[in-house]
Amino acid sequence: DIVMTQTPLSLPVTPGEPASISCRSSQSLLYSNGYNFLDWYLQKPGQSPQLLIYLGSNRASGVPDRFSGRGSGTDFTLKISRVEAEDVGIYYCMQALQTPLTFGGGTRVMIK
Amino acid sequence: QAQLVQSGAEVKKPGASVKVSCRASGYTFTGHFMHWVRQAPGQGLEWMGRINPNSGGTDYVQKFQGRVTVTRDTSISTSYMELSRLRSDDTAVYYCARDSHGMDVWGQGTAVTVSS
Repeated sequence: DIVMTQTPLSLPVTPGEPASISCRSSQSLLYSNGYNFLDWYLQKPGQSPQLLIYLGSNRASGVPDRFSGRGSGTDFTLKISRVEAEDVGIYYCMQALQTPLTFGGGTRVMIK
Repeated sequence: QAQLVQSGAEVKKPGASVKVSCRASGYTFTGHFMHWVRQAPGQGLEWMGRINPNSGGTDYVQKFQGRVTVTRDTSISTSYMELSRLRSDDTAVYYCARDSHGMDVWGQGTAVTVSS
């Protein structure tokens, strides 16, 4: 199984400041079609998870452009250009290259 | 717009089975895989398996092999996840999620509590 490792575990942020979450996979997620099969999800308190980024760098419908996904192969980053109060929650990366699909352990983003 | 509505909370005894439903609306049910993901209290997300609603083909994570069965009824655009031989550590919220360039639509979750 592909192991997904996220850092940091928790991330205190100041509104208006940037934030960054790292995700590393135990195997390359780059497929022969040139796409990285890596998605990012946000689970806000008391809610179901929601899709932020798919295939490494594509924003899902309705996701603000302050969110961006970068990286390739085994190293990926989710960046928030300017954190807003509504961005608090737990962020998960997930590999979709092969079954079983696997999630990272999550990064809790909180306001300082 | 696409929506997934799940069945209500369940309380089960150890050894029993639970069957959670996920009714899809607002899109072509057979056009997208459906995933099942669970989240134990205070824990992260765990993928359990998926179904191709068109063919009925399934994939499951090894740890649930033999205990989990995902099915679908295309006539009512509904997927089901049945987990048998329940244990206390199966206590979790169970989600269904549509696959469309990532899991782009999620159900509201179904809380399953396993307690004697």
